[in-house]
Amino acid sequence: GAVVSQHPSWVICKSGTSVKIECRSLDFQATTMFWYRQFPKQSLMLMATSNEGSKATYEQGVEKDKFLINHASLTLSTLTVTSAHPEDSSFYICSALGPQGITAFFGQGTRLTVV
Amino acid sequence: AQSVTQLDSQVPVFEEAPVELRCNYSSSVSVYLFWYVQYPNQGLQLLLKYLSGSTLVKGINGFEAEFNKSQTSFHLRKPSVHISDTAEYFCAVSGSNQFYFGTGTSLTVIP
Repeated sequence: GAVVSQHPSWVICKSGTSVKIECRSLDFQATTMFWYRQFPKQSLMLMATSNEGSKATYEQGVEKDKFLINHASLTLSTLTVTSAHPEDSSFYICSALGPQGITAFFGQGTRLTVV
Repeated sequence: AQSVTQLDSQVPVFEEAPVELRCNYSSSVSVYLFWYVQYPNQGLQLLLKYLSGSTLVKGINGFEAEFNKSQTSFHLRKPSVHISDTAEYFCAVSGSNQFYFGTGTSLTVIP
């Protein structure tokens, strides 16, 4: 149980376009989801905390207008990278707090390459 | 506020040797502690967690960790590593619906 699915796992897009990444909790309801960004050989950088039905809480330095987060249901959160540029290329990972709200379960990540 | 420190950024170890990956945390409240493993180009997989009870926690792939409240540590150990254990390991602490990760330890198992 407690499976989180992230889609797509890999995407290439042209500079200036927008990309949407989906994060789904498959067998549980997730009130809280997290979005991370990870640079090569570095730790996870928390971008924002997403709570179902309310606005996401962004970490300092993360542009909320560029990284749009929507958590419209208890099983789905989306991250949209708007007007993507090459510097947005990275590995994006989502996680969801499990049924007891204690353990975080992770999606498999999305490799975004902006050309 | 909580924070996590992983002192070793890289740990090379020979195959079948024991290994310990260190993790220290700071928190003013009770916390839950976790170890995750990340293989290249993948998400994080939960290795083990400490919520309460016995301070020695056993996880998957033969790993275990011991919660030491007085030393605020949660070190990860394995008595005999395998080549397939080569990966990035992250210690994490959670509380108040937030998760905090350490900077990670890259474990390289040498044949």
